[in-house]
Amino acid sequence: QKEVEQNSGPLSVPEGAIASLNCTYSDRGSQSFFWYRQYSGKSPELIMSIYSNGDKEDGRFTAQLNKASQYVSLLIRDSQPSDSATYLCAVPAYSGAGSYQLTFGKGTKLSVIP
Amino acid sequence: SQTIHQWPATLVQPVGSPLSLECTVEGTSNPNLYWYRQAAGRGLQLLFYSVGIGQISSEVPQNLSASRPQDRQFILSSKKLLLSDSGFYLCAWTSNEAFFGQGTRLTVV
Repeated sequence: QKEVEQNSGPLSVPEGAIASLNCTYSDRGSQSFFWYRQYSGKSPELIMSIYSNGDKEDGRFTAQLNKASQYVSLLIRDSQPSDSATYLCAVPAYSGAGSYQLTFGKGTKLSVIP
Repeated sequence: SQTIHQWPATLVQPVGSPLSLECTVEGTSNPNLYWYRQAAGRGLQLLFYSVGIGQISSEVPQNLSASRPQDRQFILSSKKLLLSDSGFYLCAWTSNEAFFGQGTRLTVV
């Protein structure tokens, strides 16, 4: 059973601070990693993907991947109240029959305090 | 561009009633399609996935079934709903990452 683990939070940070969200995964063969943001009552939306060790930056978001440690993180710089949401880490697993599935962590709830 | 439609957005159904949720995808052919459920305060649970017409794989044994009558149509059904079927149901398709429909909030009363 492939697993994806996240701290459930809630994680509270003041406006303007850096929010750091962490995720570990069990499948050492995983090659792709995704971060989704889910506002309350809404469906998840993809915000970052990362495939190689190191950092990937997109605006205020930075994803960090360390395959040796089986660890992926998301940093949100200059956090805004609009960043308050649940952040889901997802890792694909090939399931045979020509498909693969995304295994999701349970999510970390982030609250940015004005 | 690809879009995914899911309806209805909200649904309140009595225990023992049937269920039918529909999902359609536009802008892609032969997509891999998925049904997830998210219970209150819980993570996303994969219910069913499909790699083609008539091909359904079930991840968990339960009161639900799925069908794929057309290439870009995926249907989630139940003959008799249970209270425990309440939750947020999400349809998704994947290329590499997953893209979700708007979701259906189902409350069984």
